[in-house]
Amino acid sequence: DADVTQTPRNRITKTGKRIMLECSQTKGHDRMYWYRQDPGLGLRLIYYSFDVKDINKGEISDGYSVSRQAQAKFSLSLESAIPNQTALYFCATGDRGGEKLFFGSGTQLSVL
Amino acid sequence: GEDVEQSLFLSVREGDSSVINCTYTDSSSTYLYWYKQEPGAGLQLLTYIFSNMDMKQDQRLTVLLNKKDKHLSLRIADTQTGDSAIYFCAEDTGRRALTFGSGTRLQVQP
Repeated sequence: DADVTQTPRNRITKTGKRIMLECSQTKGHDRMYWYRQDPGLGLRLIYYSFDVKDINKGEISDGYSVSRQAQAKFSLSLESAIPNQTALYFCATGDRGGEKLFFGSGTQLSVL
Repeated sequence: GEDVEQSLFLSVREGDSSVINCTYTDSSSTYLYWYKQEPGAGLQLLTYIFSNMDMKQDQRLTVLLNKKDKHLSLRIADTQTGDSAIYFCAEDTGRRALTFGSGTRLQVQP
């Protein structure tokens, strides 16, 4: 089983719909991150969390919200999806004080 | 925000060395990273270097860091077809909230 699991793997939705992407991890890490990947732009940070009570905005948080339900779970919501939110979304985790991030396999979201 | 810049594409022949270059902007970055992304997969950490080092070698991988020019490079010796992927450099601008480059697609020709 993967250490960082994202669901769903693929999602197609319509403009204006509310969408939730979920991430769970079995690594016991405190830090969790949401990134989006667009062709030619690399990965950009949306939100990150250092524990259940510590949520921080990243570079491109507008139009997104997050919830850290437990140490192991970090979900990303699009309250009203728009087409330019079509992207590949990655969740990542990191342990406190550690240098490395561990990535999930990604969720491909298409907003029509 | 800071920009981390990479060339978009590199093509090499199998057995040759590949050198992927990156420039970063934050001189206070503590760690600099190289990640690999294969088709349909997430990012996999290849190697990283602490900012007080100039070079790090790990089997076929050599990372060079020029802090004066804010230049990072990844050299892959004896490049194989399995090395074909997108390579991202990233800098740690604090709290492990990494800033990534746009990625370099490495194509290895047999």
